[in-house]
Amino acid sequence: DGGITQSPKYLFRKEGQNVTLSCEQNLNHDAMYWYRQDPGQGLRLIYYSQIVNDFQKGDIAEGYSVSREKKESFPLTVTSAQKNPTAFYLCASGMPLLAGPVNEQFFGPGTRLTVL
Amino acid sequence: AQSVTQLGSHVSVSEGALVLLRCNYSSSVPPYLFWYVQYPNQGLQLLLKYTSAATLVKGINGFEAEFKKSETSFHLTKPSAHMSDAAEYFCAVSEETSYDKVIFGPGTSLSVIP
Repeated sequence: DGGITQSPKYLFRKEGQNVTLSCEQNLNHDAMYWYRQDPGQGLRLIYYSQIVNDFQKGDIAEGYSVSREKKESFPLTVTSAQKNPTAFYLCASGMPLLAGPVNEQFFGPGTRLTVL
Repeated sequence: AQSVTQLGSHVSVSEGALVLLRCNYSSSVPPYLFWYVQYPNQGLQLLLKYTSAATLVKGINGFEAEFKKSETSFHLTKPSAHMSDAAEYFCAVSEETSYDKVIFGPGTSLSVIP
C-alpha cells in the first residue's frame, strides 16, 4: 500500500524532554511537510522540505527541528524550547499537480503529543 | 496578508438537507484552491481541487465547489447530507510567493442531525 505513516499515534512525554515524531512515505514524493493543529484552529506549517538534504522553516518553527536525510523520511523533533508542545501533529507529502505548479498534499494519520 | 476565511466555525444540517460550507480567500495571483475533510483523530483527505480549468469542480463523496473570482469565493456544497459527512472541513489556497505551500482556513465543523 502506498501512503504516509506516522508513529506513534499517541505520545506522552514529560515537560523538558525532547521527543521525535516519525514520518515515512513510499509515494516517491519530493516534498514533505509538518503541520501543527490545535483545537479550533487550522493547520500551521512548522517545517517543509522540497528535496533531500534541504528544508525550510514554516510559520511556527521555533522549538522544533527536522532532518531530511532520505527521500522517504522526514522526522520532527519537538525540543524542550517549544513552550506549548501539546498538539496534534500532521505530516504530509506533496507532488506537483498535472495542471499547474502547485503541490497537492497527502496527509498521514497524525500523532497526538501530550506533554505532562 | 494572504488569508482564507471560513464563515461559521460550526454548521448543523439535517440528514438529507443541502450542505453549504463557505470559503473566501485573498490572493493577488490566480489561486489554486482545495477542500479537505478530516474525521476525528485522523489526517486530512482531499475532497476536491480547483486548478484554473472548470469553475465548477466535482469531488469525492458527492461534494462540489464553485470558484467565483468576482466574489473571491470557493464554497463547498452537497445536495443531500449523509450522517457520514459529519467531520471537520478545511479550505486551503496556494500561497502567492511559493506554490510549494498552501494556507489553510480555520475549518468548519459539520454536524448532521438525523
